[in-house]
Amino acid sequence: GENVEQHPSTLSVQEGDSAVIKCTYSDSASNYFPWYKQELGKRPQLIIDIRSNVGEKKDQRIAVTLNKTAKHFSLHITETQPEDSAVYFCAAPFSGGYNKLIFGAGTRLAVHP
Amino acid sequence: DAGVIQSPRHEVTEMGQEVTLRCKPISGHNSLFWYRQTMMRGLELLIYFNNNVPIDDSGMPEDRFSAKMPNASFSTLKIQPSEPRDSAVYFCASSLAGSSYEQYFGPGTRLTVT
Repeated sequence: GENVEQHPSTLSVQEGDSAVIKCTYSDSASNYFPWYKQELGKRPQLIIDIRSNVGEKKDQRIAVTLNKTAKHFSLHITETQPEDSAVYFCAAPFSGGYNKLIFGAGTRLAVHP
Repeated sequence: DAGVIQSPRHEVTEMGQEVTLRCKPISGHNSLFWYRQTMMRGLELLIYFNNNVPIDDSGMPEDRFSAKMPNASFSTLKIQPSEPRDSAVYFCASSLAGSSYEQYFGPGTRLTVT
């Protein structure tokens, strides 16, 4: 079946360092790759997404890269700040439609001052 | 837009009681998803609807769980009878199928079954 694997499960960095989270997907037809951020006690919220017609997308300190050949995509956070501490989920669309997403297991990022 | 609305935000109940969680999706969205989140199992998709019709309920853990969507603006997730292992945060999310894939999550209902 369709699957999204996410690594690492936990990540600890010092404030100002960069953080990278990687995901692999199984369905080569996938064409949309979102990243959601969930702060403690809050709901998951979309922070950035990328479609398969581009290899990289940036929004201030966050960027996502996509390698369709290898079927993996990554979230990059530069100059990390304590408020970046959260659980991050990657996802890929389910081939059956209806906007169903297959979510990764999540990465708990801790940014230490 | 008020976003996805869920009620109640917190629910504490005793084992064996019936629990009903409610969701109002974003107006105009035609896909609705119910998720359960726990530390051990992460974010699990329980069931989803498109145009008020259940598409896939294979994620519903047991027959004690049921979900309905009587109209485009309301859905319920019911657990009867509830058990302590049902304690979790339940999220509802909505999306506009055929447009962006983005799912908009509600604030969640934190369920505690004692």
